[in-house]
Amino acid sequence: QSALTQPASVSGSPGQSITISCTGTSSDVGSYNFVSWYQQHPGKAPKLMIYEVSKWPSGVSNRFSGSKSGNTASLTISGLQAEDEADYYCCSYAGSSTFVVFGGGTKLTVL
Amino acid sequence: QITLKESGPTLVKPTQTLTLTCTFSGFSLSTTGVGVGWIRQPPGKALEWLALIYWNDDYRYSPSLKSRLTITKDTSKNQVVLTMTNMDPVDTATYFCAHLLQRQLDFDYWGQGTLVTVSS
Repeated sequence: QSALTQPASVSGSPGQSITISCTGTSSDVGSYNFVSWYQQHPGKAPKLMIYEVSKWPSGVSNRFSGSKSGNTASLTISGLQAEDEADYYCCSYAGSSTFVVFGGGTKLTVL
Repeated sequence: QITLKESGPTLVKPTQTLTLTCTFSGFSLSTTGVGVGWIRQPPGKALEWLALIYWNDDYRYSPSLKSRLTITKDTSKNQVVLTMTNMDPVDTATYFCAHLLQRQLDFDYWGQGTLVTVSS
């Protein structure tokens, strides 16, 4: 069982917006602004999409946005495109001993 | 341009020790604030962080696997080595190495991964 809880799947039609939640605890998401999100297409390595809750790495579309409230972080994808169909993982810093924890992953289907 | 590549055996037997090497370019592990981590992913399952080593030889291990893991670096060869003892079929996974900046605490560049199967 993963430390962070994500919905197993979400879906949306092209052009729509979807939000993926990532629920942790006061020991990880709730205590640190080091939440990151990764996109993974089948057979590929994960790709960093959001870091420090809401920042974009160079080259990542601003259709992807991140936020956090309490122990829950969220990834919103606006203007869904077919190529957004992938698995998405959240990750949070959890202190110097645990270091980081990942979520269980969410499969996004673009209908 | 930062690149990382994992190498090691594709098949190990139960109880054996796994040794994986991450060879990287485009950055130095002697630069302040830089780290390299290992993350694995069993087939069809989620990512799991394993270990991390920083430029200053500080390291971290997953609490659940700490007794089985050792991470080292060879700055001159641009390599990070992960060993995992007492391998079990449940350790079958794709193993990734990734670049990290201490100030951001995220994995911004990843290797392609290497699939390790544990079977007799």
